Amino acid sequence: GPKVLQIPSHQIIDMGQMVTLNCDPVSNHLYFYWYKQILGQQMEFLVNFYNGKVMEKSKLFKDQFSVERPDGSYFTLKIQPTALEDSAVYFCASSLGGRSTEVFFGKGTRLTVV
Amino acid sequence: QQQVRQSPQSLTVWEGETAILNCSYENSAFDYFPWYQQFPGEGPALLISILSVSDKKEDGRFTIFFNKREKKLSLHIADSQPGDSATYFCAASPYGNEKITFGAGTKLTIKP
Repeated sequence: GPKVLQIPSHQIIDMGQMVTLNCDPVSNHLYFYWYKQILGQQMEFLVNFYNGKVMEKSKLFKDQFSVERPDGSYFTLKIQPTALEDSAVYFCASSLGGRSTEVFFGKGTRLTVV
Repeated sequence: QQQVRQSPQSLTVWEGETAILNCSYENSAFDYFPWYQQFPGEGPALLISILSVSDKKEDGRFTIFFNKREKKLSLHIADSQPGDSATYFCAASPYGNEKITFGAGTKLTIKP
């Protein structure tokens, strides 16, 4: 089936440094998402992105977070600067959009801030 | 405020039995309810979904029962197999909205 690829699978970074998480969504999909999951717990919505713009973001999407998808390239989540509480697994997802279309998730990037 | 609640947190059933996973929600605007299955080290994968206009949806061994009045739904897994052992997330979104809200998940273990 369609695959969402996330690079890298694991990233360790010093607190205060910048990190960029990369996502290669399903090729014809139009909507892109980032979710945060701590220790196999609840998936928390961070942001969704469509037509080059953030559509909606949650309270977890702090000012230090930003997303972009330059033409045809990766959909990225940048955190600058990182904090200890940013340690989590970040899942990228994509969908065609529209009523009840399937959202496909990647395998996640485990971010460890030390 | 947790908009989607799941119970139990964990569930163990014997192979061949029916596992029942429960979910409730608060937001009346939710009308699309997907269930996701997640294995360790993997992302969630859509298992089965239902729209609020229906009260039941079947797909093989998996059935969703939906009660709009009580804002409750449940996932029934018939003839449980050890390969069904995973975490199951109930999720919800409103009409035309691309944001999916997840419950905390139920960790299901099937004993052979």
